Amino acid sequence: GAVVSQHPSRVICKSGTSVKIECRSLDFQATTMFWYRQFPKKSLMLMATSNEGSKATYEQGVEKDKFLINHASLTLSTLTVTSAHPEDSSFYICSARATPYHNRDYNEQFFGPGTRLTVL
Amino acid sequence: AQKITQTQPGMFVQEKEAVTLDCTYDTSDQSYGLFWYKQPSSGEMIFLIYQGSYDEQNATEGRYSLNFQKARKSANLVISASQLGDSAMYFCAMRDPGGKLIFGQGTELSVKP
Repeated sequence: GAVVSQHPSRVICKSGTSVKIECRSLDFQATTMFWYRQFPKKSLMLMATSNEGSKATYEQGVEKDKFLINHASLTLSTLTVTSAHPEDSSFYICSARATPYHNRDYNEQFFGPGTRLTVL
Repeated sequence: AQKITQTQPGMFVQEKEAVTLDCTYDTSDQSYGLFWYKQPSSGEMIFLIYQGSYDEQNATEGRYSLNFQKARKSANLVISASQLGDSAMYFCAMRDPGGKLIFGQGTELSVKP
């Protein structure tokens, strides 16, 4: 089946530092990747939509200068949390949607295992 | 705007019994997709079942079935023969025309032995 990986799975950092999270589609090409944020026992909130080769589209209320997204290839998108603060501590999940010309179901999104960020 | 509503924050079910998790949605689009995901404590999102708005038959995947009532805008998940491993958070989601998934608030299911 389609596999999406995230790295790192868990990260602890000091306040003021930047953290980069990678999302990779391992066995398919993904023109579109999505980044979600989730607080404990809460729903997934879409942060941004990342399209290969173009700027990400951010949801209302998400600071694009704080959450930098780069989708440099058809298999990799990165989320960088800049100048992290304790309130940025959360579970970040990416998902990838296959290209329409791949033999994967274009309708389905495949989720990564998530990254738990703790900012001290 | 699209909206997904799950009104059951938590549900309990006895092992081997069936359970229904409620989901209602609101959209003005004619074409849409509805999904159910399971999220265990590990955090991974596990795809369970998909229903397209034009599908005339209710979707089924093993012990999971989706009770799709289009006129009522509901897409309830039915889990038959519950197992202890079914204890998890369950999310209903709708795909908008741009491909984004809009998630409901989630239901925490606990299966009792």
